[in-house]
Amino acid sequence: DVKVTQSSRYLVKRTGEKVFLECVQDMDHENMFWYRQDPGLGLRLIYFSYDVKMKEKGDIPEGYSVSREKKERFSLILESASTNQTSMYLCASSPFGGNEQFFGPGTRLTVL
Amino acid sequence: QKEVEQNSGPLSVPEGAIASLNCTYSDRGSQSFFWYRQYSGKSPELIMSIYSNGDKEDGRFTAQLNKASQYVSLLIRDSQPSDSATYLCAVLGFQKLVFGTGTRLLVSP
Repeated sequence: DVKVTQSSRYLVKRTGEKVFLECVQDMDHENMFWYRQDPGLGLRLIYFSYDVKMKEKGDIPEGYSVSREKKERFSLILESASTNQTSMYLCASSPFGGNEQFFGPGTRLTVL
Repeated sequence: QKEVEQNSGPLSVPEGAIASLNCTYSDRGSQSFFWYRQYSGKSPELIMSIYSNGDKEDGRFTAQLNKASQYVSLLIRDSQPSDSATYLCAVLGFQKLVFGTGTRLLVSP
């Protein structure tokens, strides 16, 4: 089974803090994705990566950056957290050429 | 117009009935379609994928695709209270999946 893990289930940070969200997958998938999910807005793609050291902007990249130094790990960085970044953050992965994405358990981030 | 549209529900069905969940999409060139189930407070779980017109069955689940009408549906037969969840429709666009906002299904005992 594909296993995608995220570093924290719940996280509380203060406005202006730098926040790191980590995602690791153990199935040697090339593709990794970061989404946020908000009530009424659904899942929105923040960034994605098709290879190590490669990244592409999704629909809402503003205020975020990413890092992929190793194939299995994809990090989402909030440079200066703001209250409007309070959300559920979901990481997903898929194999090369595959369209089915598998999600991690999610991190519920609250920014005070 | 949203790229992927779903009725937010809730759709309420009694235990044992057939639940029918619907989704329309705007990109006529889309080729790949997915249904995810999401329990409250949990992450989405892939339950069905469909790529060709027609029906695809997997246990109690049937996905139906009509590309001419830009319509994909999910039927759940013999619905159980454990099927109560939000069902997300996803359509593969250029390089990325586009998700609907989901339909909440409630199955009453």
